[in-house]
Amino acid sequence: NAGVTQTPKFQVLKTGQSMTLQCAQDMNHEYMSWYRQDPGMGLRLIHYSVGAGITDQGEVPNGYNVSRSTTEDFPLRLLSAAPSQTSVYFCASSYSGGGQAFFGQGTRLTVV
Amino acid sequence: RKEVEQDPGPFNVPEGATVAFNCTYSNSASQSFFWYRQDCRKEPKLLMSVYSSGNEDGRFTAQLNRASQYISLLIRDSKLSDSATYLCVVNMGNDYKLSFGAGTTVTVRA
Repeated sequence: NAGVTQTPKFQVLKTGQSMTLQCAQDMNHEYMSWYRQDPGMGLRLIHYSVGAGITDQGEVPNGYNVSRSTTEDFPLRLLSAAPSQTSVYFCASSYSGGGQAFFGQGTRLTVV
Repeated sequence: RKEVEQDPGPFNVPEGATVAFNCTYSNSASQSFFWYRQDCRKEPKLLMSVYSSGNEDGRFTAQLNRASQYISLLIRDSKLSDSATYLCVVNMGNDYKLSFGAGTTVTVRA
């Protein structure tokens, strides 16, 4: 079972570049979300979606865009990368709000 | 004040020991509580949900104290494989949003 698949696993960007982090799940979950994890801090919610065609902002949305055209896919776009966006990014999905979340393996992003 | 706070540790314990740690949450309306485990450079994975009456899963026991707004995790008979960071996760009750603590690091030594 694939579960939640994130690509790429590692990425180095130059300041100002844009890129898309891919996330796909095969569990038919309605809820998907993106988090970033920084040292000494809990995972912080960037954006989330409660179903195809519906997205909303989380705690730290600035500098990121998302879309949800299908139930399976939830890509995260960095519009113009900044060093402050150096972090580990996790995509997660869940069957219901507030229930168990399943995480992808993470993307380690460095912006130089 | 952070929504979910944890003692970062680290808790260094010998094999076979018992280790326990707490997590406090700020929103009294919180409805769902979880402990996740995160190994070094890996994704978080659900360890156990926390129920109002407390619950056990093998060597792991979770407790919820709504009056004082904290949850706890106790690990009995620690194994080397229990070495990880344990994340306290709370659903505040509004929609889907989960709030994560920064994690408590446990290191079990031989």
